[in-house]
Amino acid sequence: EVQLLESGGGLVQPGGSLRLSCAASGFTFSSSGMSWVRQAPGKGLEWVSVISATGGRTYYADSVKGRFTISRDTSKSTLYLQMNSLGAEDTAVYYCARNYGSGSYVAFDTWGQGTLVTVSS
Amino acid sequence: SYELTQPLSVSVALGQTARITCGGNNIGSKSVHWYQQTPGQAPVLVIYRDSNRPSGIPERFSGSNSGNTATLTISRAEAGDAADYYCQLWDSSAASVFGTGTEVTVL
Repeated sequence: EVQLLESGGGLVQPGGSLRLSCAASGFTFSSSGMSWVRQAPGKGLEWVSVISATGGRTYYADSVKGRFTISRDTSKSTLYLQMNSLGAEDTAVYYCARNYGSGSYVAFDTWGQGTLVTVSS
Repeated sequence: SYELTQPLSVSVALGQTARITCGGNNIGSKSVHWYQQTPGQAPVLVIYRDSNRPSGIPERFSGSNSGNTATLTISRAEAGDAADYYCQLWDSSAASVFGTGTEVTVL
C-alpha cells in the first residue's frame, strides 16, 4: 500500500524555523517527484514546492521562495521541507503528496494525512 | 500569476447531477486535475488530465475542459459526495495553482 506519513509539525515562534519530514512507503520513492501543499485553517489548498525524482530540480511558490527548502533522501525514502523565517501566514496543515505524471501534467495522486504548523508567540 | 475561479458552493439533490466549474484564462490548453476533500481529511484525486479517473473512483465522476472553463460533473449524486472540491493545474512546469474550492452540498 502506498503511504505517506508527515511529521515535524508543531508550535513555533515568529521568525523561527521548523523541518517537516514525510516518510514514504509502498512505492519506489526514487522514481517519483514529490510536492508539498498546505492549507491554512478554514482556507483552500495552496501549492508550496516540488522536487524532481532525482532531486535535481526544485521549485517554490512565490510566498515561500527564499525561506523554504525542499529536499529528499532516497536512502531513507523521506521528503523534507526546511522552513525558515516563519510568520503567522505560514500557519497551516502541511501535506506531502506524490507526483503522478510529468511536467505540466503532474497530478498529486497520493497524499499524507498532514502535519499542523502553528506560528505564534 | 495564473488564477483559477470556482463557485463558492454548489447544491445538488440526491440522485441528480452536480457540475462544478473552474475558470481560467485559456484553461482548455492546460491539463486540469480535480480533488475531493472531506472535513479533517487529506484531499483525494478524483479526476486527472481533464477527464481521467484514478482507480477506485466511481464512473459517476467525470471531467471536461474547453475554452476558459473546466468542469467536474458528479452524476447520480450520493450523500457521500458532499465535500469540498478543488481544481489544480500547472501554470508552468515550475509553478502549480489550486482553484478557490467549491463546497458541494447534497440535499
